[in-house]
Amino acid sequence: KAGVTQTPRYLIKTRGQQVTLSCSPISGHRSVSWYQQTPGQGLQFLFEYFSETQRNKGNFPGRFSGRQFSNSRSEMNVSTLELGDSALYLCASSPGQGGTDTGELFFGEGSRLTVL
Amino acid sequence: LAKTTQPISMDSYEGQEVNITCSHNNIATNDYITWYQQFPSQGPRFIIQGYKTKVTNEVASLFIPADRKSSTLSLPRVSLSDTAVYYCLVGVDAGNMLTFGGGTRLMVKP
Repeated sequence: KAGVTQTPRYLIKTRGQQVTLSCSPISGHRSVSWYQQTPGQGLQFLFEYFSETQRNKGNFPGRFSGRQFSNSRSEMNVSTLELGDSALYLCASSPGQGGTDTGELFFGEGSRLTVL
Repeated sequence: LAKTTQPISMDSYEGQEVNITCSHNNIATNDYITWYQQFPSQGPRFIIQGYKTKVTNEVASLFIPADRKSSTLSLPRVSLSDTAVYYCLVGVDAGNMLTFGGGTRLMVKP
């Protein structure tokens, strides 16, 4: 069974631009969550989707948004990029229904974003 | 809002047992405790999950005291390949966020 696939793996943007990252969960998984990882802040939760609905959202500004499609694939978007948005963005899928049932998460390898 | 605290780093030697403790004082009744391992440039990988007392699988054991305000990940007989960052995750009821600890960087030396 294929794992979680994230695209693109690497990308470079400049301040003020926007970026869209994609995540394809493991087949059959309906819950997808996103995380930002930086050396200074560690792993921080962005948001979680289940059946196309956002169930949980972390403490990030409105520039960070996401969505989930009917096939469970998910995208996240960051608008008006700032230097501090440079990070590894990780997507995880879970067979559960999200929330407290999100125990065993299956992570992709991440999309490394560099903002210049 | 659940918050977790872990040691920033630990050193060990091959063949030793390593115990990493995570504090989660305001864990909610329905929360499970999950541990992950992460190597550089890779996503975290699930190690073990528990709710109370002790859980053991083929790679680790998880000890959770009765008050559930902390948990200890135990890695028996570590090897060099266990050098990684270990994260403690405490799930929170729907409507809040999933909180990872800051991670513990384990260095296993020969």
